[in-house]
Amino acid sequence: NAGVTQTPKFQVLKTGQSMTLQCAQDMNHNSMYWYRQDPGMGLRLIYYSASEGTTDKGEVPNGYNVSRLNKREFSLRLESAAPSQTSVYFCASSTVATNEKLFFGSGTQLSVL
Amino acid sequence: QKEVEQDPGPLSVPEGAIVSLNCTYSNSAFQYFMWYRQYSRKGPELLMYTYSSGNKEDGRFTAQVDKSSKYISLFIRDSQPSDSATYLCAIDSGAGSYQLTFGKGTKLSVIP
Repeated sequence: NAGVTQTPKFQVLKTGQSMTLQCAQDMNHNSMYWYRQDPGMGLRLIYYSASEGTTDKGEVPNGYNVSRLNKREFSLRLESAAPSQTSVYFCASSTVATNEKLFFGSGTQLSVL
Repeated sequence: QKEVEQDPGPLSVPEGAIVSLNCTYSNSAFQYFMWYRQYSRKGPELLMYTYSSGNKEDGRFTAQVDKSSKYISLFIRDSQPSDSATYLCAIDSGAGSYQLTFGKGTKLSVIP
């Protein structure tokens, strides 16, 4: 049982480049999330998708877009990367009934030069 | 004042010690209280989950919630080197908010 799978694990971008982070879960969860984790800042929610077909902004959505491709997949896109987006990105999923219980992927380490 | 405050540590203890990790919060509407454990270069994993006040025990781990003081704690008994990780408290108001509030995490090292 893979759980939540994120790709890639590491990425280096130049300022202004674009990229998409991929996330897939095999637990049949309805809800999916994208977080970023920075030293001294903790985990901050970027976007979430409560169910297939819906997406909503979290605490820090600026500079990002998301797509809930289907029930399993939720992608995060950086259209024009900035150094301030250097961070570790985590995808997570949960059931609707217990959305406090998050299952996280192993993360993507992104550096924007 | 941030909604959740957590001492970032680092905290270093000898093997076998009792560890106490704490968070304070400001919003009395919070109903769900979680502790996540995060090993280095890994994603967080849910360790303990508590609804409302009281204690919850799971093996060597005890989660305690004091809603009157807006204070939550995680106790680790007989700490082991494998407990070395960052511990994140997380709080939610429930009601389908989908937005947990996380503490910044406390880094714990258990020295053999």
